[in-house]
Amino acid sequence: AQKVTQAQTEISVVEKEDVTLDCVYETRDTTYYLFWYKQPPSGELVFLIRRNSFDEQNEISGRYSWNFQKSTSSFNFTITASQVVDSAVYFCALSEGQTGANNLFFGTGTRLTVIP
Amino acid sequence: DTGVSQNPRHKITKRGQNVTFRCDPISEHNRLYWYRQTLGQGPEFLTYFQNEAQLEKSRLLSDRFSAERPKGSFSTLEIQRTEQGDSAMYLCASSLWTGGHNYGYTFGSGTRLTVV
Repeated sequence: AQKVTQAQTEISVVEKEDVTLDCVYETRDTTYYLFWYKQPPSGELVFLIRRNSFDEQNEISGRYSWNFQKSTSSFNFTITASQVVDSAVYFCALSEGQTGANNLFFGTGTRLTVIP
Repeated sequence: DTGVSQNPRHKITKRGQNVTFRCDPISEHNRLYWYRQTLGQGPEFLTYFQNEAQLEKSRLLSDRFSAERPKGSFSTLEIQRTEQGDSAMYLCASSLWTGGHNYGYTFGSGTRLTVV
């Protein structure tokens, strides 16, 4: 069965600090996708990244970077030089397989608060 | 096309009443998903459509819930005889399924339901 675990419920950092949000997943599929979404107080889920199971290359996008390690079933997200606007709930999600619903299984989220 | 649109944004209803939510997906997307998000949790999959066909329902979708996508464009989610436990954010997402891959998975801002 699929599962996504975000062990950090809440994190607070001071502005300009770096912060890493952890995500561990479980799946029996060999083909799957991993996602990160940001949910600000407005409620909308903002897409950040999608990574497929065959691409373990780490990715950097501005202040954001992602570390995908199949050996430990982890897909961690790092924000460098955090800003107040980064305050939100961040969700990691898993989508299995190349056929079927491809619905997303979400973790319980990590609430990030960046203190000015 | 400005994305996935959901109406209303907020709905307060009395226990026992019926409510209906609407989702307008991105126009070229053939898949439409409904999710439910309760406080402090990640979104949970309810059901999805490919064009007008409802292809999968989660066990979370009780008999009081019904979803339709009559012309393969917008979708409605109806909850009959609402209960306080139905209070949640209802999120809609759409995507383009083609060639065995799912592209552009985009969420709307959600409809927040409060049952009093």
